[in-house]
Amino acid sequence: AQKITQTQPGMFVQEKEAVTLDCTYDTSDQSYGLFWYKQPSSGEMIFLIYQGSYDEQNATEGRYSLNFQKARKSANLVISASQLGDSAMYFCAMREEGAQKLVFGQGTRLTINP
Amino acid sequence: EAQVTQNPRYLITVTGKKLTVTCSQNMNHEYMSWYRQDPGLGLRQIYYSMNVEVTDKGDVPEGYKVSRKEKRNFPLILESPSPNQTSLYFCASSHLTGVFREKLFFGSGTQLSVL
Repeated sequence: AQKITQTQPGMFVQEKEAVTLDCTYDTSDQSYGLFWYKQPSSGEMIFLIYQGSYDEQNATEGRYSLNFQKARKSANLVISASQLGDSAMYFCAMREEGAQKLVFGQGTRLTINP
Repeated sequence: EAQVTQNPRYLITVTGKKLTVTCSQNMNHEYMSWYRQDPGLGLRQIYYSMNVEVTDKGDVPEGYKVSRKEKRNFPLILESPSPNQTSLYFCASSHLTGVFREKLFFGSGTQLSVL
């Protein structure tokens, strides 16, 4: 069964520093996708970045990159040069081929300090 | 603008009073789903639909109903709400092509309080 684990309930980082949010996953499928979503205090779910299980290069989207280590089953989100607006809850999620759902981790609340 | 529209944004009700949360998408997505978000538990799937008239249970379906009479709409029905259904609810949709690659588009959420 697919499972996502985010072990950091909360993180505090100084503005302009880089931050890594941890995510490990468990699946027996060869085909799957990994996603990161951001949830600001307003509540909406904002898609950040995607990594496919067959993608050989780590995904990048602006200041976001995904450190994908397939053998270790980890998909950590890296935010470079953090900004105050990055303060939010971050969710890691996985979708297996043929599975009819996105499975989410518990989330990490990131706070950026000025 | 491509979007998933959910209403209402906030809802306070009393135990046992039937309610419906509406969800509509304008992206011609085949797949639609409902999630609930609770602190420390992340988001958990309630029900999903692969297409019109095709629905199935997710991980936490008890106390909920859904219908998919039209491709764009996927309402969530609570026939007799109870306090343990107090939660933040999200509707989401996606295409089915290359399923594991498809990201979900989320509505803005409905904060439900059952007194």
